[in-house]
Amino acid sequence: GAVVSQHPSRVICKSGTSVKIECRSLDFQATTMFWYRQFPKQSLMLMATSNEGSKATYEQGVEKDKFLINHASLTLSTLTVTSAHPEDSSFYICSAREWGSYTEAFFGQGTRLTVV
Amino acid sequence: RKEVEQDPGPFNVPEGATVAFNCTYSNSASQSFFWYRQDCRKEPKLLMSVYSSGNEDGRFTAQLNRASQYISLLIRDSKLSDSATYLCVVWVGNNNAGNMLTFGGGTRLMVKP
Repeated sequence: GAVVSQHPSRVICKSGTSVKIECRSLDFQATTMFWYRQFPKQSLMLMATSNEGSKATYEQGVEKDKFLINHASLTLSTLTVTSAHPEDSSFYICSAREWGSYTEAFFGQGTRLTVV
Repeated sequence: RKEVEQDPGPFNVPEGATVAFNCTYSNSASQSFFWYRQDCRKEPKLLMSVYSSGNEDGRFTAQLNRASQYISLLIRDSKLSDSATYLCVVWVGNNNAGNMLTFGGGTRLMVKP
């Protein structure tokens, strides 16, 4: 099946710094990518929908200036957590769906962010 | 009301039991339906798509009821390795950039020896 690669898988950063997470579709073109956050023992929460070449659409309550999303190409979307704080510590997962496909979305491996 | 709702569980069942999960969705324009499995601290992985006619894959059977707007997942002969969270996923939209996947909150299954 299609592969979505997410990097890094784990990152620890100091409070106040920024962290960039990459999501790549390796063998298909992903016009749309989705970014999720998951806290321990909770369900996936959609943060934003990232469309190639345009601004991301953020879910209610998600600060767009704090979670910067860039989707500059059909195979790469990035999420930058700016001025990270301990409460931003979470599991971040991206998913991508192939253009024109009715099939399932494919998920990256996830990034576990710990802000200290 | 949430767009996609699931009983969070946990469902605690013995090995060999049959267990069923339901999921309801609110948007009648929903077009595609999936069950994903998520293990602890891992990304969700597709278990199976759900078709109107119902479909079976080994011990797993998925069904869709459009009239009542729910989908179900039946697991027969439960194994210890089936312990996970099962996510109901619904897709609304068409095949352009405006499509959207909506996840249920997940149902946690624990299979005991």
